[in-house]
Amino acid sequence: EAGVVQSPRYKIIEKKQPVAFWCNPISGHNTLYWYRQNLGQGPELLIRYENEEAVDDSQLPKDRFSAERLKGVDSTLKIQPAELGDSAVYLCASSLETVDPDTQYFGPGTRLTVL
Amino acid sequence: KNQVEQSPQSLIILEGKNCTLQCNYTVSPFSNLRWYKQDTGRGPVSLTIMTFSENTKSNGRYTATLDADTKQSSLHITASQLSDSASYICVVSAMDSSYKLIFGSGTRLLVRP
Repeated sequence: EAGVVQSPRYKIIEKKQPVAFWCNPISGHNTLYWYRQNLGQGPELLIRYENEEAVDDSQLPKDRFSAERLKGVDSTLKIQPAELGDSAVYLCASSLETVDPDTQYFGPGTRLTVL
Repeated sequence: KNQVEQSPQSLIILEGKNCTLQCNYTVSPFSNLRWYKQDTGRGPVSLTIMTFSENTKSNGRYTATLDADTKQSSLHITASQLSDSASYICVVSAMDSSYKLIFGSGTRLLVRP
């Protein structure tokens, strides 16, 4: 069974540029999460989707961050414009809410460097 | 405030030696506690999960303990291998919002030959 797929794996951009990350969750998983992980820290939740609905986006900086999950499967996370402090690893995770909501399966992440 | 604190921040051991990582939490109401292993450049992978009533859980050379009274957990690694080099993250789930996981900052373990 394929795990959570993320792309790109690495992205280097200059500040003020836009950037987008893509995530394909495990097949059948209805819940999808985006996390940001700063160096030496644990992941911090940005947004959680149940199917196509964003049920918790309280930690998402909405002035520059946006996310969508069309058709309740793949998801994209966008930053526009990027700032130096956005440099981090962006992790996507998925879970099957009806079976085991606490078991989240993580993708490899996208490492973003903002110059 | 729900918090998870881990110690040490980093650890270097020789291959074959044992080590113990610590996790203290102030999460209430408590649902479960997991230890994740995160290899460099990879996403976290769950090693063990323990609920309130469990005080020990093993997964191969990894043994986790939980003391719900003192709100402490430990992860013991036996006969370490080079592949154990990774970050180990303690994650606690609160019962009132089980999808929301409270992550510790992790312990970075380096196993040297």
